[in-house]
Amino acid sequence: KNEVEQSPQNLTAQEGEFITINCSYSVGISALHWLQQHPGGGIVSLFMLSSGKKKHGRLIATINIQEKHSSLHITASHPRDSAVYICAVDYGNKLVFGAGTILRVKS
Amino acid sequence: DAGVIQSPRHEVTEMGQEVTLRCKPISGHNSLFWYRQTMMRGLELLIYFNNNVPIDDSGMPEDRFSAKMPNASFSTLKIQPSEPRDSAVYFCASSRGGTGDIQYFGAGTRLSVL
Repeated sequence: KNEVEQSPQNLTAQEGEFITINCSYSVGISALHWLQQHPGGGIVSLFMLSSGKKKHGRLIATINIQEKHSSLHITASHPRDSAVYICAVDYGNKLVFGAGTILRVKS
Repeated sequence: DAGVIQSPRHEVTEMGQEVTLRCKPISGHNSLFWYRQTMMRGLELLIYFNNNVPIDDSGMPEDRFSAKMPNASFSTLKIQPSEPRDSAVYFCASSRGGTGDIQYFGAGTRLSVL
């Protein structure tokens, strides 16, 4: 069964803290996406990766194919990072989504 | 480019009525996706088109749901007849090349079926 598990479900951090959100999947994949959904509802694609690591500003995404695991890191977190972060796994033309991690960054 | 455009932004209808949601993908993108988001089930892929052809419709809940892409710049998702359990936010997204490429999402249509 193709499953995607995210952790934690909820995360509250203080401004400036380093944040890690995890995503695990069950079988081999073509690619993995990290999405951000703001409180207003809009969805933005942050990263698409199939190996290694990608960085964009304060956001870093890594994937370990052997361990079937990906992490999204936020450095120097800020209240505007408060959002739901969703991992989506591409099982070859079939996208399966994690339940999302609700992040709240307090000032 | 204006991004992915969805209409309407909000739709309120009564059970049994036909609902049509519309999407205009980003020009030059070959792939279009329809998603549904609910509190209970999160985000789900309903159907995915590549070059206007449906590639995977296994996420379409039942025969009441249908989707078309008559040309590269327009797609519709139709629910007939609608039921209260169809209430959700429906997102459309497009990408240059399939599920393995960055997707750009529309603002979504919030559907309420009374």
